[in-house]
Amino acid sequence: GAGVSQSPSNKVTEKGKDVELRCDPISGHTALYWYRQSLGQGLEFLIYFQGNSAPDKSGLPSDRFSAERTGGSVSTLTIQRTQQEDSAVYLCASSLPRGLGSNEQFFGPGTRLTVL
Amino acid sequence: SQKIEQNSEALNIQEGKTATLTCNYTNYSPAYLQWYRQDPGRGPVFLLLIRENEKEKRKERLKVTFDTTLKQSLFHITASQPADSATYLCALVGNYQLIWGAGTKLIIKP
Repeated sequence: GAGVSQSPSNKVTEKGKDVELRCDPISGHTALYWYRQSLGQGLEFLIYFQGNSAPDKSGLPSDRFSAERTGGSVSTLTIQRTQQEDSAVYLCASSLPRGLGSNEQFFGPGTRLTVL
Repeated sequence: SQKIEQNSEALNIQEGKTATLTCNYTNYSPAYLQWYRQDPGRGPVFLLLIRENEKEKRKERLKVTFDTTLKQSLFHITASQPADSATYLCALVGNYQLIWGAGTKLIIKP
């Protein structure tokens, strides 16, 4: 079956532009996660969705970052007025809905964002 | 705040030997701890999950231990192979957030 997919795979943008990243989770996975990974670093948790709601948005780095999920499936992460420090790989993962941390997460290939 | 530490230096192991990676954490008592493998340019892949009431978990050549007193998890790969070379990440739950270690790069030399 299909795994988690993300688009685009690579995005190069100019500082100040808005970008939208998309994640298609595995069918039936109601939990969805967004992470950011800078070169040589671990994963930075951004936001977690259970269905269409996000219990905690405090991981989002600034108010330029927002995420939404509709229909309990596809999610989009939007970064407004991009800055060079936003350059990183943005990873999406999904899992079964049995509680945060108690299930394995399935990751997409990531979107590599480069802000010039 | 919750903090996870993994050995930041690469671990070089001779093929056939056992590789042991360490994950230490502070300021929390997680109910679960997970281990993932990440290859360059790819997303992490789940390996094992261990619960706080489990001392040890095994899967083929992999073994994970979880010592809640020491606040430490050890990840072992027995009979290591060059294909086991990758970065290994541990993660635990704290306040609706999954907190990840930076990972340890494992290199298995033929």
